[in-house]
Amino acid sequence: AQRVTQPEKLLSVFKGAPVELKCNYSYSGSPELFWYVQYSRQRLQLLLRHISRESIKGFTADLNKGETSFHLKKPFAQEEDSAMYYCALSGLSGAGSYQLTFGKGTKLSVIP
Amino acid sequence: NAGVTQTPKFQVLKTGQSMTLQCAQDMNHNSMYWYRQDPGMGLRLIYYSASEGTTDKGEVPNGYNVSRLNKREFSLRLESAAPSQTSVYFCASSKTGGEVEKLFFGSGTQLSVL
Repeated sequence: AQRVTQPEKLLSVFKGAPVELKCNYSYSGSPELFWYVQYSRQRLQLLLRHISRESIKGFTADLNKGETSFHLKKPFAQEEDSAMYYCALSGLSGAGSYQLTFGKGTKLSVIP
Repeated sequence: NAGVTQTPKFQVLKTGQSMTLQCAQDMNHNSMYWYRQDPGMGLRLIYYSASEGTTDKGEVPNGYNVSRLNKREFSLRLESAAPSQTSVYFCASSKTGGEVEKLFFGSGTQLSVL
């Protein structure tokens, strides 16, 4: 079974400080990982995905297969980064189709 | 381009009442999903439809039924609502149902069961 763990429910940082949102996963196959974000009063949206190796809004995430982690990082937090962040893993379900499994989420609060 | 549209946005039910949450997408996506979002629990998959004509149970299907009416529409029905079903419900869709899933989400339905 696939599992995604986000150990922090809430993370508070000061504006300009570095941010790291932790994500660990459990999956027997080769994982495809994502970060989704939900800003206040907006719908959930994709922030970035592992295969794209991209940087979105200054955020990056590196897949570490040895540590089974996909932590989200940003060197300098901005107030507009305050949101709920979900780590997600795409894996093969028992029914034979791919499902996206989400972690429980981390609420990031950037203090002015 | 509307994307994924859910109705209603808010609903209050009494225990035992039934209702259907509607979802439609205009992106010609094959796969559609229903999630519930609860504080401290994150997003949990209720049911999904990998393609038109198929539906499968997710992590928390009990108390729910779904219908994939056509390629565009995927509805979620609560036959006899219970307080434990108080939650925010999200519909989502994706293009292929293949290995790499980028989901597009609706704006959510906030449901309270009294």
